[in-house]
Amino acid sequence: NAGVTQTPKFQVLKTGQSMTLQCAQDMNHNSMYWYRQDPGMGLRLIYYSASEGTTDKGEVPNGYNVSRLNKREFSLRLESAAPSQTSVYFCASLLGLFVGGYTFGSGTRLTVV
Amino acid sequence: DQQVKQNSPSLSVQEGRISILNCDYTNSMFDYFLWYKKYPAEGPTFLISISSIKDKNEDGRFTVFLNKSAKHLSLHIVPSQPGDSAVYFCALTGANSKLTFGKGITLSVRP
Repeated sequence: NAGVTQTPKFQVLKTGQSMTLQCAQDMNHNSMYWYRQDPGMGLRLIYYSASEGTTDKGEVPNGYNVSRLNKREFSLRLESAAPSQTSVYFCASLLGLFVGGYTFGSGTRLTVV
Repeated sequence: DQQVKQNSPSLSVQEGRISILNCDYTNSMFDYFLWYKKYPAEGPTFLISISSIKDKNEDGRFTVFLNKSAKHLSLHIVPSQPGDSAVYFCALTGANSKLTFGKGITLSVRP
């Protein structure tokens, strides 16, 4: 049972380049989330998807788009990367009934130069 | 405006002693409170939680206390072990199940 899988684990982009961060979960969870972690800032919610076919903005959505491709997969896209998007990105999933909190992936460390 | 505050960025304790990690919040609408533990290069992992109808929840060496009137949450680890050295985040949620995280506290347990 893999839980939440994120790819890639590391990425370096040049300013203005685009990329998609992939996330997949095999726990049949309804809700999925994208957070970013920056030094001294904790984890901040970028976008979330309460169920397949729905997405909503979180605290820091500017510069990002998301796609909930199916129940398993929730991707995060940077259309034109900026140095301010240098961060560690975490995907998480949650069972519909709130038990035990989120399950997080191991993260994608993104550097924009 | 920060809704969840972990005002101490770091804590160092001796192995075997108690670690007390604190968290304050401002929004009374939060009704479920969690602690996550994070090692370097890994994602956060769920540690323990408490609902607003309780004031204490215990799981082995870990106990979470909730003081709703003071809007204060604390995690006690007794006895502390070197393997407990990590970053600890408190996280709060309301009816929408979105978690709001604090900035984290780095705990170092000295052998």
